[in-house]
Amino acid sequence: GAVVSQHPSWVICKSGTSVKIECRSLDFQATTMFWYRQFPKQSLMLMATSNEGSKATYEQGVEKDKFLINHASLTLSTLTVTSAHPEDSSFYICSARSAPGQGKDSPLHFGNGTRLTVT
Amino acid sequence: AQSVTQLGSHVSVSEGALVLLRCNYSSSVPPYLFWYVQYPNQGLQLLLKYTSAATLVKGINGFEAEFKKSETSFHLTKPSAHMSDAAEYFCAVSSNYGGATNKLIFGTGTLLAVQP
Repeated sequence: GAVVSQHPSWVICKSGTSVKIECRSLDFQATTMFWYRQFPKQSLMLMATSNEGSKATYEQGVEKDKFLINHASLTLSTLTVTSAHPEDSSFYICSARSAPGQGKDSPLHFGNGTRLTVT
Repeated sequence: AQSVTQLGSHVSVSEGALVLLRCNYSSSVPPYLFWYVQYPNQGLQLLLKYTSAATLVKGINGFEAEFKKSETSFHLTKPSAHMSDAAEYFCAVSSNYGGATNKLIFGTGTLLAVQP
């Protein structure tokens, strides 16, 4: 089945530093990937839609300059949390569609998430 | 705009008992609906999906859900709970755009506990 790999699975960084999270579709090409953020015991909140070869589309309230998204190839999207602060600590999950045409009825495949802790 | 509401943030059942997780949706167009399961510190796994075909949808691990337009509901059920079913379950609806950029909107989740 379609596999989405996310790396790293967890990271601890100091306040003020930047952290990059990678999301790869291992056995399919994904023109679009999605980045979600999940606070403890809460739902997934869509942060942005990553588009291969073009700028990401951010959801309202998400800071573009803080959460940099790059989708340089059909199998890789990266999320960089710049100048991280403790309030950025969260669980970040990426996802992508695998079906041909990647239409609205095809399911999203999720990575295993990245636990970010900013100290 | 589309949204889903999951009633009950925590549900506890005994092993072997019926599992019922509730989800109601709001959509101005025919929705596509999904149920996902999340185990601790992991991503989400698709249980089942409704995409305007049969209203009773069967998924993995013995789960099923029924789309009821009149009640705007898509409740998830399983006849007999197993200890391994303990996890968090999310109901989700697709936004009404077509194509690859179509977004998935999640409910707040229901944490299922299974007692021995």
